[in-house]
Amino acid sequence: SHELTQPPSVSVSPGQTARITCSGDALPNQYACWYQQKPGQAPVLVIYKDSERPSGIPKRFSGSSSGTTVTLTISGVQAEDEADYYCQSADSSGPYVFGTGTKVTVL
Amino acid sequence: EVQLVESGGGLVQPGGSLRLSCSASGFNLSNYWLSWVRQAPGKGLQWVAKIKHDGNEKSYVDSAKGRFTISRDNAKNSLYLQMNSLRAEDTAVYFCARDPSDYVWYFDLWGRGTLVTVSS
Repeated sequence: SHELTQPPSVSVSPGQTARITCSGDALPNQYACWYQQKPGQAPVLVIYKDSERPSGIPKRFSGSSSGTTVTLTISGVQAEDEADYYCQSADSSGPYVFGTGTKVTVL
Repeated sequence: EVQLVESGGGLVQPGGSLRLSCSASGFNLSNYWLSWVRQAPGKGLQWVAKIKHDGNEKSYVDSAKGRFTISRDNAKNSLYLQMNSLRAEDTAVYFCARDPSDYVWYFDLWGRGTLVTVSS
């Protein structure tokens, strides 16, 4: 199966913009999504189908896709956004593949 | 309330077996693909197995093939994972998750997880 690579960590000051990348050879042919996971909690879907935002997710979360890279952008970062973030993609014939995960630290 | 609740985790010796359950409430489980996803302590997420709405299509991560069996009982609104020949590397929090789409493949609802510890 394919692999999805993320930076291990991203640090950002409150109010600034955080961008988290996810790279994989299969991404041009598959939709990607993003999950937020806080310590001791289950993951929460924040973006699906590359750029769609589920109901209840703040507008400061957005997603984009270009070639082999998808990007999660958090605009106007808040302290509550400190968490681990995982990208994920899949197709009908294969497994769900998660990215390596990125720890977002709000300075 | 729409939720998934896992149970059945615990401490088991290497080579032992465990059956995890996931109970759904607030929605009809039969409308969704379902999966088990695990997370080893301090590590990332790893998909383990998935099962189609009617149970007739299943898929597993390579490390689970031949040892784990995913099943469902739509009448009981429940999902299961039978785990045999457990190894230390199976130690993890196991989450059940639902996939609302047939072609986009993502999880819109997760349970809180149940911890499986494989140790002598």
